[in-house]
Amino acid sequence: GQNIDQPTEMTATEGAIVQINCTYQTSGFNGLFWYQQHAGEAPTFLSYNVLDGLEEKGRFSSFLSRSKGYSYLLLKELQMKDSASYLCAAMDSNYQLIWGAGTKLIIKP
Amino acid sequence: GAGVSQTPSNKVTEKGKYVELRCDPISGHTALYWYRQSLGQGPEFLIYFQGTGAADDSGLPNDRFFAVRPEGSVSTLKIQRTERGDSAVYLCASSLSVIAGVDTQYFGPGTRLTVL
Repeated sequence: GQNIDQPTEMTATEGAIVQINCTYQTSGFNGLFWYQQHAGEAPTFLSYNVLDGLEEKGRFSSFLSRSKGYSYLLLKELQMKDSASYLCAAMDSNYQLIWGAGTKLIIKP
Repeated sequence: GAGVSQTPSNKVTEKGKYVELRCDPISGHTALYWYRQSLGQGPEFLIYFQGTGAADDSGLPNDRFFAVRPEGSVSTLKIQRTERGDSAVYLCASSLSVIAGVDTQYFGPGTRLTVL
């Protein structure tokens, strides 16, 4: 079957760094997406990885290892506004997104 | 430019009633997706359209759910004989074209459906 696993909740301190992990199993693979979702709002696109390695985009970076079925989202210099849920989604061979349940990130001052 | 819009933002209905939820995708996006999301969960796929046709409706939970996109732009999700378990946020997303391969999906703000 198809499955995405990510931690339910994480807590971090303002100004620090946090890494949110995601493991996936899909029928075929066409890349890994990360979305941010603030409470009561729509998911917004953060990153896409299809090749192994690290993609850096400002304070946010995303890593992929296809052989391990593993990705992480790295958030640096955390700000209070980064408090949100972070959704990992893998695209299968039919170009459908398989979604994780999301990781709720709580930032403390 | 305009993003994906959904109406209404909130809908409260009684068990057994019929509801329609509307999605207006980003102009020029040929692929349109419907998801529903319960609290603390990721989006659950319902159906996607490529143009006017439903390319994959395998996520629709039962025959009470139906969606249309008659002109390849606006889509309506229709739920008959609503049940309390249908209460969720219904999200719509659009992308340029799934035929082209990998495309980023852009989401609307959602419709929060509450069935009393």
